[in-house]
Amino acid sequence: NAGVTQTPKFQVLKTGQSMTLQCAQDMNHEYMSWYRQDPGMGLRLIHYSVGAGITDQGEVPNGYNVSRSTTEDFPLRLLSAAPSQTSVYFCASRPPLGAGGFYEQYFGPGTRLTVT
Amino acid sequence: SQQGEEDPQALSIQEGENATMNCSYKTSINNLQWYRQNSGRGLVHLILIRSNEREKHSGRLRVTLDTSKKSSSLLITASRAADTASYFCATDGIYNQGGKLIFGQGTELSVKP
Repeated sequence: NAGVTQTPKFQVLKTGQSMTLQCAQDMNHEYMSWYRQDPGMGLRLIHYSVGAGITDQGEVPNGYNVSRSTTEDFPLRLLSAAPSQTSVYFCASRPPLGAGGFYEQYFGPGTRLTVT
Repeated sequence: SQQGEEDPQALSIQEGENATMNCSYKTSINNLQWYRQNSGRGLVHLILIRSNEREKHSGRLRVTLDTSKKSSSLLITASRAADTASYFCATDGIYNQGGKLIFGQGTELSVKP
């Protein structure tokens, strides 16, 4: 299994541009989520999904959109990039509740985004 | 607001010493998890402790949980230079829908050879 993959690894955007960060997992995990990591702030939850067709907001959803059309993919869209969105973005997935696992999350390698 | 608060923010020790990191949280939880992040990499799950457990071991890791104080600690014994990383606690709150985790700010551990 490739686990959780993210593309691109690095991205530079100009203010106002839009883009999509890609996330895919091949573990058939129902639950997927997006976090951003900023210095001194830890990881903050942006959006999450408990299955295909179901998404919900986390702590810091403004300026981001998500959709979940398949179990495997969970793209994150920046609608109009702002310098405040400069961050490292992590995608994560985990098995469904009650599957006998221990709810640990599996993280992708991250996308480092700079908005100028 | 973030669920977990960790201290210290940074810890520097010599190889062979023990490292202790603490995490406090605010609301009732199903479980608490610890993750490690090497520089420039994603997070890797280390250990999970359920709300009805008080102590758990995994290799050189020992985690304790005190639900009355809403706190947890991670102890790494006989540390190695390879343990140098950031360590995060994450809580799975009982009121969280979908089992989402809330992360603390992390402790940056430096182990000097």
